[in-house]
Amino acid sequence: DQQVKQNSPSLSVQEGRISILNCDYTNSMFDYFLWYKKYPAEGPTFLISISSIKDKNEDGRFTVFLNKSAKHLSLHIVPSQPGDSAVYFCAASAVDTGKLIFGQGTTLQVKP
Amino acid sequence: SAVISQKPSRDICQRGTSLTIQCQVDSQVTMMFWYRQQPGQSLTLIATANQGSEATYESGFVIDKFPISRPNLTFSTLTVSNMSPEDSSIYLCSVMGGTTEAFFGQGTRLTVV
Repeated sequence: DQQVKQNSPSLSVQEGRISILNCDYTNSMFDYFLWYKKYPAEGPTFLISISSIKDKNEDGRFTVFLNKSAKHLSLHIVPSQPGDSAVYFCAASAVDTGKLIFGQGTTLQVKP
Repeated sequence: SAVISQKPSRDICQRGTSLTIQCQVDSQVTMMFWYRQQPGQSLTLIATANQGSEATYESGFVIDKFPISRPNLTFSTLTVSNMSPEDSSIYLCSVMGGTTEAFFGQGTRLTVV
């Protein structure tokens, strides 16, 4: 039972354009959502998060949107840069557990 | 944020043997988490390690296969016991920073032959 799903295994975008990564979840008890970036041979790096009481959170080039009714969130990167090429994981948690449930990941390639 | 060091960074092991992975954090933390990332898969939580008590394992993971130690607030070990090729994965140590963000070590890439 996959509680957090990233249905697109890969995405290719031209440098300077917008990258949109999508994530769906099934458990309405999740109250926090996070995005991580992972380079090969490194651990995941925290990018941005959003509480379930909000619908948008922005940090520089990164914006996360949450649609609770659709149980869907997305990460927008604009403008995309070649250094953004990595695997992006969506994750969800319930605050009192500290546990993270991860999606399968989406490999983003930003072409120069 | 926390700085997390894992050792070893990678290893190739014979089936039937055991490997102990170490995780050191630069600050005291209550909970430490161990995750596994099998090839081409997502990260899956193995267990939560609290200092002074037994680790709490997730469904599908048992203490005999993945014993965990947590001797103090900055250190933990995960042992992968009686290894088989199916145990070939990246094993990651994690701690919570703030309310919900988790910080990860660089991972241990294990190959069982």
